[in-house]
This record gives sequence, structure tokens and C-alpha cells, in this order.
Amino acid sequence: DTGVSQDPRHKITKRGQNVTFRCDPISEHNRLYWYRQTLGQGPEFLTYFQNEAQLEKSRLLSDRFSAERPKGSFSTLEIQRTEQGDSAMYLCASSLASGTGDGYTFGSGTRLTVV
Amino acid sequence: DQQVKQNSPSLSVQEGRISILNCDYTNSMFDYFLWYKKYPAEGPTFLISISSIKDKNEDGRFTVFLNKSAKHLSLHIVPSQPGDSAVYFCAARSSGTYKYIFGTGTRLKVLA
Repeated sequence: DTGVSQDPRHKITKRGQNVTFRCDPISEHNRLYWYRQTLGQGPEFLTYFQNEAQLEKSRLLSDRFSAERPKGSFSTLEIQRTEQGDSAMYLCASSLASGTGDGYTFGSGTRLTVV
Repeated sequence: DQQVKQNSPSLSVQEGRISILNCDYTNSMFDYFLWYKKYPAEGPTFLISISSIKDKNEDGRFTVFLNKSAKHLSLHIVPSQPGDSAVYFCAARSSGTYKYIFGTGTRLKVLA
């Protein structure tokens, strides 16, 4: 297993376009998280899944954002009608529901630039 | 409202000396804390954790201290090495959620 994989690594899009990112978690991990990081800030929570169920969503996740995790494996994050303020690094992470609360394993992220 | 604060944006330390990175939090419901390290163009890497039932956790050169009454935690790196140069984030969560709140990070530079 090569860890958490995110695709694409970089995305440049024009304002108003839709974009979709993919995350493949570590195969035995049943929890999957999406975070967003802007310059000079720490990662900000967007949403998380346990298996295919989306258990928590941040208020940051406006109605232009949607995340799915069909069959509890990979996940997609879609942003509709992108705005310049959506430019950020989008990080995916996964963990095992062991109950110990240990740290996630993050992917390398998808850097979105909206022009 | 920044619930997790890292007030030092940067820190420089000589190789071989101790690095101390600080983190303050405001939410008394936080009971689990993590430190992550991040290199450029990579995702954050989990470093060390501590739960609120402990005041210290050690893993090799890394030790995390928790002072619950002060709502303060710190990461000590001894001895510091040039490869430790990175941005360090602290993160906290409360029971019943797996959502971590991250600080803004401290950029550590270890000088050879």
C-alpha cells in the first residue's frame, strides 16, 4: 500500500468551472477526511466519512461543495461554480476506526488555483 | 475564532540544541492532541499524540507536554537535526468527534 493517494496534484481552472478531486485512502482505513489549507493557515476541516456514511460536515462546505464516498472506498470532492476564494490545497486523510484517536495519514494534496 | 493557537510563526535553532514549539487552546472540551510535521509539497505527517489523561508522552527525540490547567501543550525535539526543518502543526479534538482543529503552524529551521 502506497498510502493516501490524491489526484490530480495540481488543478488550474477558470472561475465558474466545476472541478472534481479524487482521494484513494489506505485500503484498510474506514474513515476518510477532507481538509482545506490556505497559505499561512493550518488545515481546516471540511467533512468526514465512516465507510460510505458522511458523518460530519463543516459550515465551510457550502452548497457548491459536495463529497461522496461510494462503497466506502475512494472519495470525490466536487466544487461547482468555482470562485477565486476556493483556491487552496485540498487535503485528504484516512484513519482506522480503532477508537484510540491516533493521527490521520494525509495525502499530498490537490492544489487548486482558480483564475 | 481560533481555538488552537500557535503564536510563534517561526523558530530557528542550532543543530544539536533543543527545539520547543508551543501551542495554546481555548476549548476545555479538547481531550486529544496531535503534532504534525509538514514539508513543502507534501501532506502533513503525524508525529506524536497525547490524551488529556496524561501530561507527557515521549517518542524518541520527540516529547509532548500537556498542561491542562493552562490549556497549553509543547513539543520538545532533542537533539534538533537539520532534517527536522519543517512546519509543525498542533491539532486538537474533543470526545465524540474525529474532527481535528489545527493551529496555524510554526516553521522550524534547524541550522547546521
